[in-house]
Amino acid sequence: DSGVTQTPKHLITATGQRVTLRCSPRSGDLSVYWYQQSLDQGLQFLIHYYNGEERAKGNILERFSAQQFPDLHSELNLSSLELGDSALYFCASSVGSGGLYNEQFFGPGTRLTVL
Amino acid sequence: GDSVTQMEGPVTLSEEAFLTINCTYTATGYPSLFWYVQYPGEGLQLLLKATKADDKGSNKGFEATYRKETTSFHLEKGSVQVSDSAVYFCALIDVAALIFGKGTTLSVSS
Repeated sequence: DSGVTQTPKHLITATGQRVTLRCSPRSGDLSVYWYQQSLDQGLQFLIHYYNGEERAKGNILERFSAQQFPDLHSELNLSSLELGDSALYFCASSVGSGGLYNEQFFGPGTRLTVL
Repeated sequence: GDSVTQMEGPVTLSEEAFLTINCTYTATGYPSLFWYVQYPGEGLQLLLKATKADDKGSNKGFEATYRKETTSFHLEKGSVQVSDSAVYFCALIDVAALIFGKGTTLSVSS
């Protein structure tokens, strides 16, 4: 158990809908990262927050947004869902703001299925 | 941009066989390198890491050496067990984001 929690574990929805994925980092970690794992794209970095502020963006679609709240939990919002958004979404956390020595601890993931 | 290439799987081995999973990277600088493991139905766990050239990361019998001259970070284990069956990801860190290879599935039979 990494100490990172993600809810829900599974999510099934229809095209055009909007969903929210939630992540709680390990106690004491200030950084939260979101990654998407799909069969065709593999594991891709989406976005990084540190202590409530956005720090870096990866291949995140404009239909997707995220935020980190004062209690440090984070939410990833996915809207106007398409079939291709079906994937496993991971959250990871680390103590600091990234860099060479910051180990990222991963949650168990949320499996999103868009029908 | 930075990228990671690792050998295609699946890799199928018998228990106690020697394991090598190849990984090469492309980067503008000298990034830290990682191997992560994903067991069925679970998230990723850090297996080992190396932060500079010639560093050797090791954990649970797995080893990988950071080779700057060949831009490689191959994963090895002398004697695999059935419990090592999982997907293995090579990765580098680009400022804060991890950049992963496609993953290699290892299946070990008794």
